[in-house]
Amino acid sequence: GEDVEQSLFLSVREGDSSVINCTYTDSSSTYLYWYKQEPGAGLQLLTYIFSNMDMKQDQRLTVLLNKKDKHLSLRIADTQTGDSAIYFCAESSSGTASKLTFGTGTRLQVTL
Amino acid sequence: DTGVSQDPRHKITKRGQNVTFRCDPISEHNRLYWYRQTLGQGPEFLTYFQNEAQLEKSRLLSDRFSAERPKGSFSTLEIQRTEQGDSAMYLCASSRTGTGVSGELFFGEGSRLTVL
Repeated sequence: GEDVEQSLFLSVREGDSSVINCTYTDSSSTYLYWYKQEPGAGLQLLTYIFSNMDMKQDQRLTVLLNKKDKHLSLRIADTQTGDSAIYFCAESSSGTASKLTFGTGTRLQVTL
Repeated sequence: DTGVSQDPRHKITKRGQNVTFRCDPISEHNRLYWYRQTLGQGPEFLTYFQNEAQLEKSRLLSDRFSAERPKGSFSTLEIQRTEQGDSAMYLCASSRTGTGVSGELFFGEGSRLTVL
């Protein structure tokens, strides 16, 4: 079945860039997503990328997709303390997002 | 607040008891999803509805689990004869087909189940 893997923890200094990585196994993934989970809050969609794209930029967020290596990354520029959260990579191969497969999540800690 | 709401937020029960969780999706959303999240893991898909029809169920959803969405609005997830392995956060999400970002699920804050 589908598998999505992420590193568990990342610590960065405020103002630096953060890069969170994800690998997936399903070659038929059509959409890939980054969700953010803050303590006591529901998951929230941060950004997404279609599988026929290599890169997507949205303000401080840059998503890079290497479809050949099945590798997805999320870069957060000028990381702030408010970015501290768990970031989940997710993929959908259904095209209509009836089911998302999530990674284990990467906890981002931003230090002063 | 017009987001996805779940009730109760936390349920503690003894092994063998039945529990029921309720989810109220965003009102105009026709799709409703249930996910389960255990500590240190990402959410795992359990089932989803389009309107009142249950369209897909995961193999994780054993016979002790049943989900309903009788009128295409709120949904309930019942777990019968709970086991300690059922302890998890049960997440509900909703979406609307044909609009917005495909794959953008709106999640509730979850219902945490602790089975003693």
